[in-house]
Amino acid sequence: QVQLVQSGAEVKKPGSSVKVSCKTSGGTFSNYAINWVRQAPGQGLEWMGGIIPIFGAAKYAQKLQGTVTITADESTSTVYMELNSLRPEDTAVYYCARAAGWVSAPTTWGQGTLVTVSS
Amino acid sequence: QSALTQPPSASGSPGQSVTISCTGTSSDVGDYDYVSWFQQHPGKAPKLIIYDVSKRPSGVPDRFSGSKSGNTASLTVSGLQAEDEADYYCNSYAGINTPCVFGTGTKVTVL
Repeated sequence: QVQLVQSGAEVKKPGSSVKVSCKTSGGTFSNYAINWVRQAPGQGLEWMGGIIPIFGAAKYAQKLQGTVTITADESTSTVYMELNSLRPEDTAVYYCARAAGWVSAPTTWGQGTLVTVSS
Repeated sequence: QSALTQPPSASGSPGQSVTISCTGTSSDVGDYDYVSWFQQHPGKAPKLIIYDVSKRPSGVPDRFSGSKSGNTASLTVSGLQAEDEADYYCNSYAGINTPCVFGTGTKVTVL
């Protein structure tokens, strides 16, 4: 049974950065896509970007280009999402979600990580 | 890439059916048969209930069905049950540069 376990909740100041991790266990890591999806309070789901570790290069939502970086560490089966220049509107629950490839729907989701941006 | 358009809300009585639409463009929903649907209960992670327009993952009741016509996909929940009350999101592949776009979400209420 594949599981995605995310790092814990974070509280950050505006202008700072946050790095959230997503560790895969119980399944293949390198040739599956790990997507990052966020959900602001009371709002819908927003795809941020993703990576297939074996291919290396990440893809990003156009809106977030330049502010988000997604990386993968194959030695620990962990994907990281770093968001820079945080603003209060970045307050959200951040999910990682695993899919068989770019065209496939995510079937396994992490538990979510709440990031709060507040002065 | 803009979000796919869904109605904000839908409702039905137990045992009835409800259909939710998901309207995209010829660059996403209209161009690919890679539409999926997710169910999300409050405080929980989304759960995949339909993929590739009309396929159901193992364990998802056949009360949930999906279809597509042109740039619009639809999710039908038949025989509504209390536990179907949740938020529903569509999702589509939108090309190699934007592989994933979500709908705006629909809150389904079981009356």
